[in-house]
Amino acid sequence: SQQGEEDPQALSIQEGENATMNCSYKTSINNLQWYRQNSGRGLVHLILIRSNEREKHSGRLRVTLDTSKKSSSLLITASRAADTASYFCATDNTDKLIFGTGTRLQVFP
Amino acid sequence: DVKVTQSSRYLVKRTGEKVFLECVQDMDHENMFWYRQDPGLGLRLIYFSYDVKMKEKGDIPEGYSVSREKKERFSLILESASTNQTSMYLCASRTQRLAGVSETQYFGPGTRLLVL
Repeated sequence: SQQGEEDPQALSIQEGENATMNCSYKTSINNLQWYRQNSGRGLVHLILIRSNEREKHSGRLRVTLDTSKKSSSLLITASRAADTASYFCATDNTDKLIFGTGTRLQVFP
Repeated sequence: DVKVTQSSRYLVKRTGEKVFLECVQDMDHENMFWYRQDPGLGLRLIYFSYDVKMKEKGDIPEGYSVSREKKERFSLILESASTNQTSMYLCASRTQRLAGVSETQYFGPGTRLLVL
Protein backbone atom coordinates (compact mmCIF):
# COMPACT_ATOMS: atom_id res chain seq x y z
CA SER A 1 0.00 0.00 0.00
CA GLN A 2 1.28 3.46 -0.82
CA GLN A 3 1.38 5.85 2.09
CA GLY A 4 3.19 8.87 0.69
CA GLU A 5 1.56 10.85 -2.05
CA GLU A 6 3.46 13.59 -3.85
CA ASP A 7 1.97 16.69 -5.33
CA PRO A 8 2.24 17.83 -8.06
CA GLN A 9 2.84 14.78 -10.23
CA ALA A 10 4.86 16.90 -12.63
CA LEU A 11 6.48 20.32 -12.43
CA SER A 12 8.23 22.38 -15.10
CA ILE A 13 10.24 25.49 -14.23
CA GLN A 14 13.03 27.67 -15.58
CA GLU A 15 16.56 27.59 -14.24
CA GLY A 16 16.94 29.88 -11.26
CA GLU A 17 13.37 29.44 -10.07
CA ASN A 18 12.44 27.60 -6.90
CA ALA A 19 10.69 24.23 -7.01
CA THR A 20 8.35 23.07 -4.28
CA MET A 21 7.06 19.53 -3.96
CA ASN A 22 4.62 18.30 -1.36
CA CYS A 23 4.08 14.94 0.26
CA SER A 24 1.11 13.76 2.29
CA TYR A 25 0.95 10.59 4.30
CA LYS A 26 -1.59 8.72 6.37
CA THR A 27 -0.17 7.17 9.54
CA SER A 28 2.25 8.19 12.27
CA ILE A 29 5.92 8.07 11.33
CA ASN A 30 9.39 7.93 12.86
CA ASN A 31 10.90 9.88 10.01
CA LEU A 32 10.31 11.04 6.48
CA GLN A 33 12.91 10.84 3.74
CA TRP A 34 13.26 12.42 0.32
CA TYR A 35 14.98 10.67 -2.57
CA ARG A 36 15.88 11.69 -6.07
CA GLN A 37 15.95 9.49 -9.18
CA ASN A 38 17.54 10.42 -12.47
CA SER A 39 15.89 8.83 -15.47
CA GLY A 40 16.45 5.06 -15.55
CA ARG A 41 18.72 5.04 -12.51
CA GLY A 42 18.53 4.08 -8.86
CA LEU A 43 17.34 6.37 -6.10
CA VAL A 44 19.68 8.65 -4.22
CA HIS A 45 18.94 9.74 -0.67
CA LEU A 46 18.64 13.53 -0.27
CA ILE A 47 17.53 14.25 3.24
CA LEU A 48 15.91 12.66 6.31
CA ILE A 49 13.74 14.56 8.75
CA ARG A 50 12.70 13.00 12.03
CA SER A 51 9.21 13.25 13.46
CA ASN A 52 10.35 15.65 16.19
CA GLU A 53 11.93 18.04 13.67
CA ARG A 54 10.03 20.75 11.80
CA GLU A 55 12.58 21.96 9.28
CA LYS A 56 15.88 20.82 7.87
CA HIS A 57 18.33 22.29 5.36
CA SER A 58 20.95 20.73 3.15
CA GLY A 59 22.60 23.01 0.60
CA ARG A 60 19.84 24.25 -1.72
CA LEU A 61 17.32 21.86 -0.20
CA ARG A 62 14.86 22.79 2.50
CA VAL A 63 12.47 20.23 3.95
CA THR A 64 9.60 20.93 6.30
CA LEU A 65 7.49 18.46 8.24
CA ASP A 66 4.08 19.09 9.76
CA THR A 67 3.07 15.98 11.68
CA SER A 68 -0.29 17.49 12.66
CA LYS A 69 -1.21 17.77 8.97
CA LYS A 70 0.75 14.64 8.02
CA SER A 71 2.56 16.51 5.29
CA SER A 72 6.04 17.48 4.19
CA SER A 73 7.45 19.77 1.54
CA LEU A 74 10.73 19.78 -0.34
CA LEU A 75 11.96 23.13 -1.63
CA ILE A 76 14.81 23.32 -4.12
CA THR A 77 16.07 26.88 -4.39
CA ALA A 78 17.78 28.41 -7.43
CA SER A 79 17.12 25.33 -9.51
CA ARG A 80 19.52 24.11 -12.18
CA ALA A 81 18.99 22.00 -15.29
CA ALA A 82 20.86 19.22 -13.46
CA ASP A 83 18.04 19.10 -10.87
CA THR A 84 15.81 17.54 -13.54
CA ALA A 85 14.75 14.22 -12.01
CA SER A 86 11.93 12.48 -10.16
CA TYR A 87 11.63 13.15 -6.45
CA PHE A 88 10.09 10.71 -4.00
CA CYS A 89 9.09 10.99 -0.39
CA ALA A 90 9.24 7.89 1.78
CA THR A 91 7.71 7.39 5.18
CA ASP A 92 8.16 4.74 7.80
CA ASN A 93 6.22 3.69 10.83
CA THR A 94 7.89 0.33 11.34
CA ASP A 95 10.95 -1.12 9.68
CA LYS A 96 9.87 -0.51 6.11
CA LEU A 97 9.89 2.58 3.99
CA ILE A 98 6.79 3.29 1.93
CA PHE A 99 7.38 5.37 -1.17
CA GLY A 100 5.05 7.72 -2.95
CA THR A 101 4.64 7.81 -6.71
CA GLY A 102 6.94 10.79 -7.11
CA THR A 103 7.06 14.27 -8.63
CA ARG A 104 8.75 14.63 -12.02
CA LEU A 105 10.68 17.88 -12.09
CA GLN A 106 11.85 19.39 -15.37
CA VAL A 107 14.16 22.39 -15.18
CA PHE A 108 14.64 24.23 -18.46
CA PRO A 109 17.90 26.10 -19.09
CA ASP B 1 30.80 5.69 0.13
CA VAL B 2 28.25 2.92 0.17
CA LYS B 3 28.15 0.93 -2.98
CA VAL B 4 25.23 -1.24 -4.02
CA THR B 5 25.67 -3.10 -7.26
CA GLN B 6 23.22 -5.13 -9.31
CA SER B 7 24.32 -7.89 -11.64
CA SER B 8 22.71 -6.52 -14.80
CA ARG B 9 21.42 -3.16 -16.03
CA TYR B 10 19.26 -4.72 -18.74
CA LEU B 11 17.92 -8.24 -19.03
CA VAL B 12 15.68 -9.92 -21.61
CA LYS B 13 14.11 -13.26 -20.74
CA ARG B 14 11.41 -15.52 -22.14
CA THR B 15 8.17 -16.44 -20.40
CA GLY B 16 8.69 -19.45 -18.14
CA GLU B 17 12.42 -18.94 -17.65
CA LYS B 18 13.93 -18.87 -14.19
CA VAL B 19 15.53 -15.48 -13.58
CA PHE B 20 18.12 -14.52 -10.98
CA LEU B 21 18.74 -10.90 -10.05
CA GLU B 22 21.76 -10.37 -7.83
CA CYS B 23 22.50 -7.50 -5.50
CA VAL B 24 25.72 -6.91 -3.57
CA GLN B 25 26.49 -4.20 -1.00
CA ASP B 26 29.89 -3.43 0.45
CA MET B 27 29.02 -1.67 3.72
CA ASP B 28 28.18 -4.61 5.98
CA HIS B 29 24.54 -3.51 6.10
CA GLU B 30 22.15 -5.79 7.94
CA ASN B 31 19.02 -4.98 5.95
CA MET B 32 18.48 -5.46 2.24
CA PHE B 33 15.43 -4.86 0.05
CA TRP B 34 14.04 -5.65 -3.38
CA TYR B 35 11.55 -3.28 -5.03
CA ARG B 36 9.94 -3.10 -8.39
CA GLN B 37 9.12 0.21 -10.00
CA ASP B 38 6.37 0.67 -12.57
CA PRO B 39 5.02 3.88 -14.12
CA GLY B 40 2.29 5.41 -12.01
CA LEU B 41 2.76 2.90 -9.20
CA GLY B 42 5.99 4.12 -7.63
CA LEU B 43 8.21 1.68 -5.77
CA ARG B 44 6.63 -1.44 -4.35
CA LEU B 45 8.40 -3.69 -1.89
CA ILE B 46 8.73 -7.31 -2.98
CA TYR B 47 10.86 -8.85 -0.22
CA PHE B 48 13.29 -7.71 2.41
CA SER B 49 15.84 -9.28 4.70
CA TYR B 50 16.85 -8.19 8.18
CA ASP B 51 20.01 -10.29 8.18
CA VAL B 52 21.65 -13.39 6.76
CA LYS B 53 19.21 -16.24 6.06
CA MET B 54 16.26 -14.06 7.11
CA LYS B 55 13.53 -12.92 4.75
CA GLU B 56 10.21 -11.19 5.02
CA LYS B 57 7.49 -10.72 2.43
CA GLY B 58 6.80 -7.23 1.27
CA ASP B 59 3.67 -5.94 -0.40
CA ILE B 60 3.89 -7.94 -3.64
CA PRO B 61 5.81 -11.20 -3.07
CA GLU B 62 3.74 -13.39 -5.39
CA GLY B 63 5.80 -14.93 -8.17
CA TYR B 64 9.10 -14.09 -6.46
CA SER B 65 11.45 -15.67 -3.96
CA VAL B 66 14.69 -14.48 -2.39
CA SER B 67 17.92 -15.83 -0.98
CA ARG B 68 20.33 -14.29 1.52
CA GLU B 69 23.14 -16.76 2.17
CA LYS B 70 25.78 -14.10 2.79
CA LYS B 71 25.40 -10.74 4.43
CA GLU B 72 26.52 -8.76 1.40
CA ARG B 73 24.38 -10.53 -1.19
CA PHE B 74 20.62 -10.60 -1.67
CA SER B 75 19.18 -12.44 -4.65
CA LEU B 76 15.73 -12.09 -6.18
CA ILE B 77 14.43 -15.11 -8.04
CA LEU B 78 11.61 -15.25 -10.54
CA GLU B 79 10.78 -18.96 -10.56
CA SER B 80 8.87 -18.81 -13.84
CA ALA B 81 9.02 -15.39 -15.46
CA SER B 82 5.82 -13.92 -16.81
CA THR B 83 5.20 -10.86 -18.97
CA ASN B 84 3.63 -8.98 -16.07
CA GLN B 85 6.99 -9.14 -14.31
CA THR B 86 8.48 -6.82 -16.92
CA SER B 87 9.64 -3.94 -14.77
CA MET B 88 12.52 -2.00 -13.25
CA TYR B 89 13.94 -3.85 -10.23
CA LEU B 90 15.77 -1.91 -7.55
CA CYS B 91 17.83 -3.29 -4.71
CA ALA B 92 18.61 -1.30 -1.56
CA SER B 93 20.48 -1.78 1.69
CA ARG B 94 20.70 0.02 5.00
CA THR B 95 22.13 -0.36 8.44
CA GLN B 96 19.82 -1.22 11.31
CA ARG B 97 20.52 1.04 14.24
CA LEU B 98 17.27 0.92 16.12
CA ALA B 99 14.52 -1.66 15.90
CA GLY B 100 11.43 -0.23 14.26
CA VAL B 101 13.16 2.85 12.85
CA SER B 102 14.08 3.17 9.20
CA GLU B 103 17.37 4.78 8.33
CA THR B 104 18.67 5.94 4.96
CA GLN B 105 18.48 3.34 2.22
CA TYR B 106 21.17 3.07 -0.43
CA PHE B 107 20.03 1.94 -3.83
CA GLY B 108 21.64 0.07 -6.66
CA PRO B 109 21.40 1.37 -10.26
CA GLY B 110 18.46 -0.90 -11.09
CA THR B 111 17.86 -3.78 -13.50
CA ARG B 112 15.41 -3.24 -16.31
CA LEU B 113 13.86 -6.64 -17.02
CA LEU B 114 11.87 -7.40 -20.15
CA VAL B 115 9.98 -10.70 -20.25
CA LEU B 116 8.88 -11.72 -23.72
